[in-house]
Amino acid sequence: GEDVEQSLFLSVREGDSSVINCTYTDSSSTYLYWYKQEPGAGLQLLTYIFSNMDMKQDQRLTVLLNKKDKHLSLRIADTQTGDSAIYFCAENNQGGKLIFGQGTELSVKP
Amino acid sequence: NAGVTQTPKFQVLKTGQSMTLQCAQDMNHEYMSWYRQDPGMGLRLIHYSVGAGITDQGEVPNGYNVSRSTTEDFPLRLLSAAPSQTSVYFCATLREPYEQYFGPGTRLTVT
Repeated sequence: GEDVEQSLFLSVREGDSSVINCTYTDSSSTYLYWYKQEPGAGLQLLTYIFSNMDMKQDQRLTVLLNKKDKHLSLRIADTQTGDSAIYFCAENNQGGKLIFGQGTELSVKP
Repeated sequence: NAGVTQTPKFQVLKTGQSMTLQCAQDMNHEYMSWYRQDPGMGLRLIHYSVGAGITDQGEVPNGYNVSRSTTEDFPLRLLSAAPSQTSVYFCATLREPYEQYFGPGTRLTVT
């Protein structure tokens, strides 16, 4: 069945780049997403990429998509303490039905 | 424009009790869904609706019922709560074709 996998934890120093990785199984996914969740809050859509793209840049965020390997990554440049959160990768292939990864907890140390 | 609202924010139930989690949206989105979030498991789809009068099951529907009588509201019912339903519940809407909006969540504990 469909599955999305992420590593659970990532720790970086303030000012460094963070790279959060995700693998998925459904090659028919139309959109792939990155969501951010701060403690006690809901999910905030950070960015998305359409399946026919291989890269998308949005200010400090860069999304890379390797369709052959079914690998998605999110790079956060100049990571700040305010970026500390859980980041979820998700895929969409049927309307609004999203399949989420387990989430990667990003810890940014000053 | 309030977006997606959920009530209550917190709830404690005893095993066997019933309750309804409320979800409302004011964006006129046709698609609405319910997810549950458990530690280390991400979010899993419980039920979804593509419009008023139409609902369908997601990945983990057992123990939950839904109905969609209006575009604005999509309540989630627990008929007989079990400790395994302790979780954080999120309601979401979809602005076609890709953008999902999530509510703030309801934290449910079943003892």
